[in-house]
Amino acid sequence: AQSVTQPDIHITVSEGASLELRCNYSYGATPYLFWYVQSPGQGLQLLLKYFSGDTLVQGIKGFEAEFKRSQSSFNLRKPSVHWSDAAEYFCAVGAWVDYKLSFGAGTTVTVRA
Amino acid sequence: DAGVTQSPTHLIKTRGQQVTLRCSPKSGHDTVSWYQQALGQGPQFIFQYYEEEERQRGNFPDRFSGHQFPNYSSELNVNALLLGDSALYLCASRRRDLMNTEAFFGQGTRLTVV
Repeated sequence: AQSVTQPDIHITVSEGASLELRCNYSYGATPYLFWYVQSPGQGLQLLLKYFSGDTLVQGIKGFEAEFKRSQSSFNLRKPSVHWSDAAEYFCAVGAWVDYKLSFGAGTTVTVRA
Repeated sequence: DAGVTQSPTHLIKTRGQQVTLRCSPKSGHDTVSWYQQALGQGPQFIFQYYEEEERQRGNFPDRFSGHQFPNYSSELNVNALLLGDSALYLCASRRRDLMNTEAFFGQGTRLTVV
């Protein structure tokens, strides 16, 4: 069965500082991996995705993530956060065959001035 | 392109009642999936529809049922509502024949059961 673990429930970061959100997955084959962001009461917006190829993927809003198969990880990074990055972040894993996505419990990011 | 649209945006129901939520997929998309997101949790997969049939199902009771119409739009029905069914219900769509494409999510329907 596929599953995702996001070890950090809540992260507080200063504006302008770097951010890294951790994601570990369990999946029997080559996974599709995603990071989504959700503002309060809103739907999910895709930040970036990994299907195959280059293990460092670039996304929107200056985010990037690195797929590390040996560590079953797909950590999200941003060099310099902005106050508007305060939100809930979800890592998800799926397969192209059935596209049933499994999400982590999410990490809440708070940005302090 | 309107993207994935869901209706209604908010809904309040009483325990034991039935509810129907609606989803129109993004233009060109033929596969619709439904997710339940309880407060403070990640979305949980309910089921997926393609060619008007349920193709995949998550760990949800039979009180949760759905339908897909010829125009690819979809409904999620929940019978005998429980307080625990209160959640944000998200619809996602994609084109099944394309590999390496992501699913697009709607803004969700917030269901409150009282």
